[in-house]
Amino acid sequence: DTAVSQTPKYLVTQMGNDKSIKCEQNLGHDTMYWYKQDSKKFLKIMFSYNNKELIINETVPNRFSPKSPDKAHLNLHINSLELGDSAVYFCASGGTDSFEQYFGPGTRLTVT
Amino acid sequence: DAKTTQPPSMDCAEGRAANLPCNHSTISGNEYVYWYRQIHSQGPQYIIHGLKNNETNEMASLIITEDRKSSTLILPHATLRDTAVYYCIVRASNEKLTFGTGTRLTIIP
Repeated sequence: DTAVSQTPKYLVTQMGNDKSIKCEQNLGHDTMYWYKQDSKKFLKIMFSYNNKELIINETVPNRFSPKSPDKAHLNLHINSLELGDSAVYFCASGGTDSFEQYFGPGTRLTVT
Repeated sequence: DAKTTQPPSMDCAEGRAANLPCNHSTISGNEYVYWYRQIHSQGPQYIIHGLKNNETNEMASLIITEDRKSSTLILPHATLRDTAVYYCIVRASNEKLTFGTGTRLTIIP
């Protein structure tokens, strides 16, 4: 009964490649998020979607493009991967009137 | 842009109460105090939140000072599984979560 799931858990790829990370939540939440945690463990929000509509778009390179096919899914596509993109990416979800955000297990992306 | 200050690390003996302080002297009237924790290699986990009153749930208690400029998260009987980084966050209900550097809590057997 995983609430927020992400695939893949680990992703190793070369510079210049394009890759996607998938996220699904079965909690019926309206809002989903992507966070990035770098090597220094700073956790920063990247995007937020509410009912498939982009709400928050932090200062993130436009190589990063979130896609929300439906309320339960928020995928992250990254073009032209760079070394600095190496990090752990967390997906999260929360209800419109909920104070809690539920985080997925993370995807560790390594760009070589 | 974290609006909170926490000690970088703390130790607590297993079975004792862990008291984690947080300063948020610039908190606004509509901002809540949230606590999350991140156990090694896992996603952050919500613990508790409050506005003015003290709060308690099955995981922890949250004590907020009357002037709301500081708060304390209390884990009443710490276990080894409580070893984690604990984040104190202030946020209005329609704002994003902004994580600071947190407190690394180590429970000592």
